[in-house]
Parts: sequence; C-alpha cells; structure tokens
Amino acid sequence: GEDVEQSLFLSVREGDSSVINCTYTDSSSTYLYWYKQEPGAGLQLLTYIFSNMDMKQDQRLTVLLNKKDKHLSLRIADTQTGDSAIYFCAEKTGFQKLVFGTGTRLLVSP
Amino acid sequence: DTEVTQTPKHLVMGMTNKKSLKCEQHMGHRAMYWYKQKAKKPPELMFVYSYEKLSINESVPSRFSPECPNSSLLNLHLHALQPEDSALYLCASSHPGLAGKSSYNEQFFGPGTRLTVL
Repeated sequence: GEDVEQSLFLSVREGDSSVINCTYTDSSSTYLYWYKQEPGAGLQLLTYIFSNMDMKQDQRLTVLLNKKDKHLSLRIADTQTGDSAIYFCAEKTGFQKLVFGTGTRLLVSP
Repeated sequence: DTEVTQTPKHLVMGMTNKKSLKCEQHMGHRAMYWYKQKAKKPPELMFVYSYEKLSINESVPSRFSPECPNSSLLNLHLHALQPEDSALYLCASSHPGLAGKSSYNEQFFGPGTRLTVL
C-alpha cells in the first residue's frame, strides 16, 4: 500500500520555528497523531488532532490539518536542542490500528 | 504509573535459539501491541491483544508467537529467527476502545528490546 510520507530531514537553529509535514493516505482516518522518538527510546505521544478539526494548539506545538489534501503539519515554536529527535506522524486506520509515517529527523543546532 | 516496561533491553540470539521478549504495564489497559521497527524505518504493527485475546495479526511469520497470560503482561516468543528479523521490538498498551467506534485511545510505548539475530 501507499506510505504515509514525511520529509526525511529538517535542520533548524535554536529559537527558530520548525515545521514538519506529513501526507497521509486514508481519508477516513479519524485521529492523527504526532510522536517523538529519541535515540534508543520508544515513542512518546506529543499531540493528536481529531479529523473534524483544522487546527490544534498545545503550548509550543501547533497542528494543522488539511483533510482535502490529506496533509498534516506540526509546528514547534522556539525550537530547543532537546527537541532534536525523529518525529513520526501516524493515522488511525482501524479502531486499534496505527500506521506511522516514514519519520522526519529534526536536528536543532545551538 | 504511566510506564510500559520491556525486558530485556538488548538480546543477541542465534538462528536456532528460542527466546522470549516481555512487556508489562500497570495502567489497567486492556489492549496491548507488538510493533517491529527496523533501523531508520517507522514502527510496523505485528499483533494486537484486546482483553487478553488476539484481535489483530498482521500476517506475521509463525516464528514469532505472541502470548498474553494476563491483563498486565505480554510476551513475544521467538524461535528459528532469521538475521533479517533483527530490529527494535516495541510494546505498547492502551484502553481498548469499542469495535466499530473510533476513539482517541492513546498508545503508551515501552523503550523497546533491541534484537540482533546472528
């Protein structure tokens, strides 16, 4: 099947905003998620958005959803070196099934 | 307690060995998951247990055998693995949700077991 696509790599300077993009595959997905994975660790849920919403803000994180284009983005304001990690979007395609995106490695330099 | 624990952290095994991976949670979650994550790839779902019964098997080879002995524990028994099975194996848990109804049901992930098959 099709992959949930993300750009491979993003490099920003500390204090800048980061925008990570995701194109998902299933227009009937009800929930979309952003997870963070640090080296050698499991996945940490950062935020999620329900499919009837266009935007969700949670402290430094802003999620935008364009259902028509099946496009999801995560904006991190005031990016810090501790934000360096791999970020995965995920779509809920069945009542228990998550399909993850290809992952974006974010590197934040001082 | 919002933690999912996995043991061992690292495992090296030969192709003729039998080993088991263990996962434990005490959040009262009645859905538990096994994922496989190859290097530089996203996690891929292998199995889901709901109320201690296998509800999803994503066509995983029979050399991987899951077991859910109780609501807190999930095992993955490994036998006759191949070198291409080397990966990070992640366990997760969540509230199970209701079949036919979509709900948020955050999945909490453990740190994973890094498996190397020689």
